[in-house]
Amino acid sequence: EVQLVESGGGLVQPGGSLRLSCEASGFTFSDYDMNWVRQAPGKGLEWVSYISGDDTTIYYTDSVKGRFTISRDNAKNSLYLQMNSLRAEDTAVYYCAREPDDYFDYWGQGTLVTVSS
Amino acid sequence: SYVLTQPPSVSVAPGQTARITCGRNNIGSKSVHWYQQRPGQAPVLVVYDDGDRPSGIPERFSGSNSGNTATLTISRVEAGDEADYYCQVWDSNNYHQVFGTGTKVTVL
Repeated sequence: EVQLVESGGGLVQPGGSLRLSCEASGFTFSDYDMNWVRQAPGKGLEWVSYISGDDTTIYYTDSVKGRFTISRDNAKNSLYLQMNSLRAEDTAVYYCAREPDDYFDYWGQGTLVTVSS
Repeated sequence: SYVLTQPPSVSVAPGQTARITCGRNNIGSKSVHWYQQRPGQAPVLVVYDDGDRPSGIPERFSGSNSGNTATLTISRVEAGDEADYYCQVWDSNNYHQVFGTGTKVTVL
């Protein structure tokens, strides 16, 4: 059974940092591209970042470029999102999602990030 | 910016058909994917590549895509179909995934 479990969310002050993790199981992690998608409270889905299965290609949405860094450790079946210089508008539930071919077939349950003083 | 326009809400009686649109110029040239998100839950893929269904998704869910509009159709609507629905495409020009604005389906 495919499972994606996020962790690392919490309350952080503006300008602070947080590192999210997503632990994968039930499939060969290195065979799949992975993504982070977020959802602000009461709002729609917003794609954040993409990393290829072999870690050679990375993309970001414009609003997080230079502040967020996506990475993965295929030996540990884990995906990460390092978030720096956090802003109030980064407050959201962050989901990791598996991408077999330009769509997301499995999602984690999400982890809440709240940026507030 | 790349915008996929969905109606904010659709209301439908049980047993009837709900149609949710996703609009953008020439969207018919893209592969469109659809997600269902029930309150407090993670999104679930219900249709991919315009009209294919993942295993476990009922045949009541179908999709089409032509011209400037993609459509998710839910036949014989049930109370459990009440949720938010999002379309999604890959913007190959900007290397971005893009989600639609979302549609709340209410079962009367």
